[in-house]
Amino acid sequence: GAVVSQHPSWVICKSGTSVKIECRSLDFQATTMFWYRQFPKQSLMLMATSNEGSKATYEQGVEKDKFLINHASLTLSTLTVTSAHPEDSSFYICVNDGYTFGSGTRLTVV
Amino acid sequence: KQEVTQIPAALSVPEGENLVLNCSFTDSAIYNLQWFRQDPGKGLTSLLLIQSSQREQTSGRLNASLDKSSGRSTLYIAASQPGDSATYLCAVGGSGNTPLVFGKGTRLSVIA
Repeated sequence: GAVVSQHPSWVICKSGTSVKIECRSLDFQATTMFWYRQFPKQSLMLMATSNEGSKATYEQGVEKDKFLINHASLTLSTLTVTSAHPEDSSFYICVNDGYTFGSGTRLTVV
Repeated sequence: KQEVTQIPAALSVPEGENLVLNCSFTDSAIYNLQWFRQDPGKGLTSLLLIQSSQREQTSGRLNASLDKSSGRSTLYIAASQPGDSATYLCAVGGSGNTPLVFGKGTRLSVIA
């Protein structure tokens, strides 16, 4: 079946640095990729929806200049957390429009 | 706006018990409903997917039902085992390219 490869699976970074998370759709072309984040003991909350070749749509309260989403091709979508702060520490996960999930990225900002 | 609620938030049962997890949603115009399992610090594992035209799905000891008109779904786990301990998430999907809306989950502990 379709697979979404998400990397890295975990990352620790210093405050102020940027982190890029990649999601690749294998054997499937994803027009749309949904990006979620999950804080400890909370549910998955939608951050943004990316569509291939167009700007992402961000949910209310999500800073588009901080969470940069690029969906340049039908097989690759990226989320870059810029100038990361400890409060950005969370579990980030992508889901394509076939509802195939990436394995998630646990980000810890120190 | 779709809202998904899961009850109870946490549940602890002795091994061998049958149990029911509940999920309710406010907008009955759904395309499908999924139940997921999430182990601590891990990603999601899809357990059961019910299309809006279906009433239930079964996989092994798991049975999920869907009553779209009343906005409810249940996940029934038979003969629970310690390995079933995890957080169970319910998510509903709309038609087309719409994102899944998740409940907050039920944290299940099965005590040996």
